[in-house]
Amino acid sequence: DAGVTQSPTHLIKTRGQQVTLRCSPKSGHDTVSWYQQALGQGPQFIFQYYEEEERQRGNFPDRFSGHQFPNYSSELNVNALLLGDSALYLCASSLDPQAATNEKLFFGSGTQLSVL
Amino acid sequence: RKEVEQDPGPFNVPEGATVAFNCTYSNSASQSFFWYRQDCRKEPKLLMSVYSSGNEDGRFTAQLNRASQYISLLIRDSKLSDSATYLCVVNRGSGGSYIPTFGRGTSLIVHP
Repeated sequence: DAGVTQSPTHLIKTRGQQVTLRCSPKSGHDTVSWYQQALGQGPQFIFQYYEEEERQRGNFPDRFSGHQFPNYSSELNVNALLLGDSALYLCASSLDPQAATNEKLFFGSGTQLSVL
Repeated sequence: RKEVEQDPGPFNVPEGATVAFNCTYSNSASQSFFWYRQDCRKEPKLLMSVYSSGNEDGRFTAQLNRASQYISLLIRDSKLSDSATYLCVVNRGSGGSYIPTFGRGTSLIVHP
């Protein structure tokens, strides 16, 4: 049973570029959420996708966008990269968020993004 | 004031010690609470959910105090393998779903 998988594991970009990160959820999970974790900080919620729609969004600018596909996999896109976007980007999957018992998150190992 | 606050530590304890972490949250509408463990350069993993009645899983005990808006994690008989960062997570309900907020984590170092 595959867990949450993310690609790529590491990425180096320059300011102003655009990046796309990918995530495949744990088998049987239909909800994907994305987090940004800066060094020494906890993960910050970016957004959550369910049934191919953005269900919830954290306090991130519109430069951060996403998509969920019919097979529940997801992409995170960041445009016009800034130095401050350098962080570990984590994807987590879970079951239907409407059920309180389904709030447990299963994380992928993340993509380390460095913006130079 | 941050929505979820944790003492970053590090808490440096010998093997066998008992150690406790607290986490405070500011939003009284918060609905569910969790502790996650994160090893260095790894992804967070769910340690345990936190219930008002308190819950225990082996050497780990979690407690929720809604009146004072804090949750706690107690680790008894610490092992070297318990060294990690412990993240407090508070979920706030929103439009039939929820928004999770993570604390910055508390670092635990267990030494021989």
